[in-house]
Amino acid sequence: QVQMVQSGAEVKKPGASVKVSCKASGYTLTNYYMHWVRQAPGQGLEWMGIINGSGGTTTYAQKFQDRVTMTRDTSTSTVYMELSSLRSEDTAVYYCARTYHSFGYYFGYWGQGTLVTVSS
Amino acid sequence: EIVMTQSPGTLSVSPGERATLSCRASQSVSSNLAWYQQKPGQAPRLLIYGASTMATGIPARFSGSGSGTEFTLTISSLQSEDFAVYYCQQYNNWPLAFGGGTKVEIK
Repeated sequence: QVQMVQSGAEVKKPGASVKVSCKASGYTLTNYYMHWVRQAPGQGLEWMGIINGSGGTTTYAQKFQDRVTMTRDTSTSTVYMELSSLRSEDTAVYYCARTYHSFGYYFGYWGQGTLVTVSS
Repeated sequence: EIVMTQSPGTLSVSPGERATLSCRASQSVSSNLAWYQQKPGQAPRLLIYGASTMATGIPARFSGSGSGTEFTLTISSLQSEDFAVYYCQQYNNWPLAFGGGTKVEIK
């Protein structure tokens, strides 16, 4: 069955970077897009960007354009999201989410989430 | 950038009653609208896509309707497991956007 397993919780200082991994199984990474969505404590969902599992092309939300990098490693079926210049407002649970179909940008499968805490 | 607005923010409903949740887009998203359910400590779960198509395994008491800028999620008879937060999401334009959520709580 389709499953995404994310890396563990992180605690970072302001100004640092964090890299979260998302290992996919049960399907072929290159056949689907993967998104990253975050959720601050007690808040709603915020879309960060998308990576094409095949070609690795990316589209980022403008808010994160200068600070986020999404990559993938097809040999290990793993997608990565790196966020730099962290600030306290980046404290959130970060989810990878796969599109439900190979088309259509709605999220049928989610990782378990990775809590990133930014604190001095 | 499309802004998604959900109402009400909180809906108090008794088990067995009907719940109607609204989602409005700041401009037309055609039928490119999805609904998710999220329970505390869990990732969201896809309920509906294409405004009205149920995802696999979703109970028939959930239904979605609407197009353009106005959408509705209806839960025909609330069960105990349905008390959660519900989000709409448009995927017609970049950037993809979620509504702020509606919390369905026990009355």
